[in-house]
Amino acid sequence: SQQGEEDPQALSIQEGENATMNCSYKTSINNLQWYRQNSGRGLVHLILIRSNEREKHSGRLRVTLDTSKKSSSLLITASRAADTASYFCATDTGSSNTGKLIFGQGTTLQVKP
Amino acid sequence: DGGITQSPKYLFRKEGQNVTLSCEQNLNHDAMYWYRQDPGQGLRLIYYSQIVNDFQKGDIAEGYSVSREKKESFPLTVTSAQKNPTAFYLCASRGSIWPTDTQYFGPGTRLTVL
Repeated sequence: SQQGEEDPQALSIQEGENATMNCSYKTSINNLQWYRQNSGRGLVHLILIRSNEREKHSGRLRVTLDTSKKSSSLLITASRAADTASYFCATDTGSSNTGKLIFGQGTTLQVKP
Repeated sequence: DGGITQSPKYLFRKEGQNVTLSCEQNLNHDAMYWYRQDPGQGLRLIYYSQIVNDFQKGDIAEGYSVSREKKESFPLTVTSAQKNPTAFYLCASRGSIWPTDTQYFGPGTRLTVL
């Protein structure tokens, strides 16, 4: 079952520009997480935002969460060629602390030098 | 180095064979997970384990089996009953106390059926 839907599916920008990716989900969540995947590699955790938080920052990353709209956005500021990767949102919806995540299909970001 | 290792990186299987993918972690995490990723898709949960000697089916467990005899290890067997096993397989582990309750992923195993 796919909980998260990400938009856009693909994004191409120039180095130095900002990149915004959106994630929508269907059911209530404990937290929402963003991960990055370089081609053919494992996922790297970027940021976690809990259901009672509205915004979090980490370096050049800014995540917002709107639980009334069941949506989240990831903003990467001043993008670099090294940011080229796929980005996934994942929601933790479990009532017990299983840590089970449901992943979206991802946004593929290309940053052109 | 702390982390999660998966082996092999590439695996080729003939139809009708069972194969086992290795996942080891030295992060002292209780929970471990196996995911499958198909091209251009997100991850789907196969099995997960929250503690040694216990595991639960995920969304796509049919044709797969796991064991959790040690905290550090969570091997996945892809059986001949899995009709379309060609995919990228990712293992993850998770700590139980904030802020380590995010999942840490291994580098993955790419399985191809010949």
